Amino acid sequence: GIQVEQSPPDLILQEGANSTLRCNFSDSVNNLQWFHQNPWGQLINLFYIPSGTKQNGRLSATTVATERYSLLYISSSQTTDSGVYFCAVPYSGAGSYQLTFGKGTKLSVIP
Amino acid sequence: DTAVSQTPKYLVTQMGNDKSIKCEQNLGHDTMYWYKQDSKKFLKIMFSYNNKELIINETVPNRFSPKSPDKAHLNLHINSLELGDSAVYFCASSQGLEGSTYFGPGTRLTVL
Repeated sequence: GIQVEQSPPDLILQEGANSTLRCNFSDSVNNLQWFHQNPWGQLINLFYIPSGTKQNGRLSATTVATERYSLLYISSSQTTDSGVYFCAVPYSGAGSYQLTFGKGTKLSVIP
Repeated sequence: DTAVSQTPKYLVTQMGNDKSIKCEQNLGHDTMYWYKQDSKKFLKIMFSYNNKELIINETVPNRFSPKSPDKAHLNLHINSLELGDSAVYFCASSQGLEGSTYFGPGTRLTVL
C-alpha cells in the first residue's frame, strides 16, 4: 500500500510563531486531505488539496503532487491550534479503497 | 446543524457484551466509513459503504458488523467485546470515494 510520512512528529511553539508541517507520500495520488484533531478529540477537515495552494485564515496548504509532498503552514499560531495534524491520501488496490493516514504531527502552542 | 453525528459519545461495557454505535450524516453524502483510532492516535479504516453497498472490508474480526438502513446512516455492531476493542471509533462520510471526508465526534469505547 501507499506510505504516508509526516514530520516533525512533535512540535512546540510559542504563541505567535509560524510553523510548517510536512507530509510525504510514496505514490501518485488524486487528492490529499489535512485534518486537525483538537485536544477534545474532534477531527476537523482543514483542506482538500490535490495540488496547488489553498488558504483559510492563518492556515494554508500546498501540495506538489509531482514531487509527492504537501505542506501545511500555520502562521501566528494560537493556543487553539494545539492538537494533532494528520494528512491522508486515498489508496485503492486489490479491490479496496481507503484513506491512508500519516501518524500525525502533535503541535503544542504555549502562551 | 451537526454534519456527522454519533451516539453514544462514551461507552463503557464488560467483556463479552454486545454493543452498537449509531452514526448519521445530513450532508447528503453517498459514502460512509468507520475508522478506529488506537491509543497511539493511529487512524485505520474498518469499513466503508457506498450507496448502501459494502465496498471495502478491512481485516477486522467478524465480531464487527456494519449495518446501513439507508444512505444517511451507518451503524456499527460489535459482538462479544474484548479488551483489545477499547479505542475511539469514528464515523465519517464523503461524496464519492475521493470527496472531502467529514468525521463524527467519535465514540470512546472502554471494555472492562
